[in-house]
Amino acid sequence: NAGVTQTPKFRVLKTGQSMTLLCAQDMNHEYMYWYRQDPGMGLRLIHYSVGEGTTAKGEVPDGYNVSRLKKQNFLLGLESAAPSQTSVYFCASMVRVTQYFGPGTRLLVL
Amino acid sequence: AQTVTQSQPEMSVQEAETVTLSCTYDTSESNYYLFWYKQPPSRQMILVIRQEAYKQQNATENRFSVNFQKAAKSFSLKISDSQLGDTAMYFCAFMSTGGTSYGKLTFGQGTILTVHP
Repeated sequence: NAGVTQTPKFRVLKTGQSMTLLCAQDMNHEYMYWYRQDPGMGLRLIHYSVGEGTTAKGEVPDGYNVSRLKKQNFLLGLESAAPSQTSVYFCASMVRVTQYFGPGTRLLVL
Repeated sequence: AQTVTQSQPEMSVQEAETVTLSCTYDTSESNYYLFWYKQPPSRQMILVIRQEAYKQQNATENRFSVNFQKAAKSFSLKISDSQLGDTAMYFCAFMSTGGTSYGKLTFGQGTILTVHP
């Protein structure tokens, strides 16, 4: 099992550009999450999904959209990137209260 | 809303010694889970230990144990026989088990632990 994978690992964007981060899990988990990690602030929840076709907002959802068309995939989109979205993004899936994290995507917005 | 506070930005310990990382939290809920996650320089988030609020017995995983004080809302992590591989950022996290909050993790700011040879 690959567990939770994230694509890409690193990306540089210019302000105003759009992109999609892909999270995939092969553990058949219902729950999936997107977090961002900024220095000195720990991880903060952006959006989450409790099953295929469902999504909900987390603590810091502004500027992001998500989709869960397939159970194994959870996509995070930035429609118009801003420098404030420079961060490390983590995806996680959950079973029985334990969350399994992907390796992270480092995003730099210039 | 729940909050999690880690008051020690950085800690250091000598190899083979014991170190304790502190965490306090604030919640009005009665049932929840608490976690410690480790993030080494590789950036991978690794679950270290988990505690359910209803269980009075402190969780233990090999060299890692917790001191869970529910009334004081305190959840510290003790690492015994510290090893160089324990060098990492450690995050304390809270998860409610009730209603729409189920599954949402709230993290503390993290504590950087350095183990010296």
